[in-house]
Amino acid sequence: AQSVAQPEDQVNVAEGNPLTVKCTYSVSGNPYLFWYVQYPNRGLQFLLKYITGDNLVKGSYGFEAEFNKSQTSFHLKKPSALVSDSALYFCAVRDEGNTPLVFGKGTRLSVIA
Amino acid sequence: KAGVTQTPRYLIKTRGQQVTLSCSPISGHRSVSWYQQTPGQGLQFLFEYFSETQRNKGNFPGRFSGRQFSNSRSEMNVSTLELGDSALYLCASSPLAGSWGNEQFFGPGTRLTVL
Repeated sequence: AQSVAQPEDQVNVAEGNPLTVKCTYSVSGNPYLFWYVQYPNRGLQFLLKYITGDNLVKGSYGFEAEFNKSQTSFHLKKPSALVSDSALYFCAVRDEGNTPLVFGKGTRLSVIA
Repeated sequence: KAGVTQTPRYLIKTRGQQVTLSCSPISGHRSVSWYQQTPGQGLQFLFEYFSETQRNKGNFPGRFSGRQFSNSRSEMNVSTLELGDSALYLCASSPLAGSWGNEQFFGPGTRLTVL
């Protein structure tokens, strides 16, 4: 069965600095990878996804993620963090075929002014 | 287009009671998934429905059940509530099942508190 791990519960970064939120996954076939963000008392919002093609995927709000098949990773990145980026970030993976979308436990990002 | 709507937004129940939560997907979306979100466990998958058929089921006890109607609206039911069922229940819709790369669109959730 597919699984996803977010090794950091919390990431702190200064405003203006680059940020990285880590994600590793395990699937039996080709992965479908997603990042979502959750602001307080809100549902999840889609940020970006990797299906196939270019390993560097660009998404909403200046975020991007790099798919690395050999390391089974899909880290979320942003060149310059904003205070408004502070939120809970979830990585998710779906395996090929009729399988559910499985989420990591989330990483709380705090951007400090 | 209106987003995914969930009703009610907040619910307080006591142990042993049952509860029904409702989800209306985005117009035209035929796939609906349900998740339970708790601080300790993160997001855990409950069910996925497409065209009134349950396609996947997560590892939850039989007290948790769901269904989908012909208009794609979905309900989930939890019987014999336990304190541990207190959580945010999220519903998500996507255009098609079988297109595994489709992103899901989430509703705001129903906050269930079991006393």
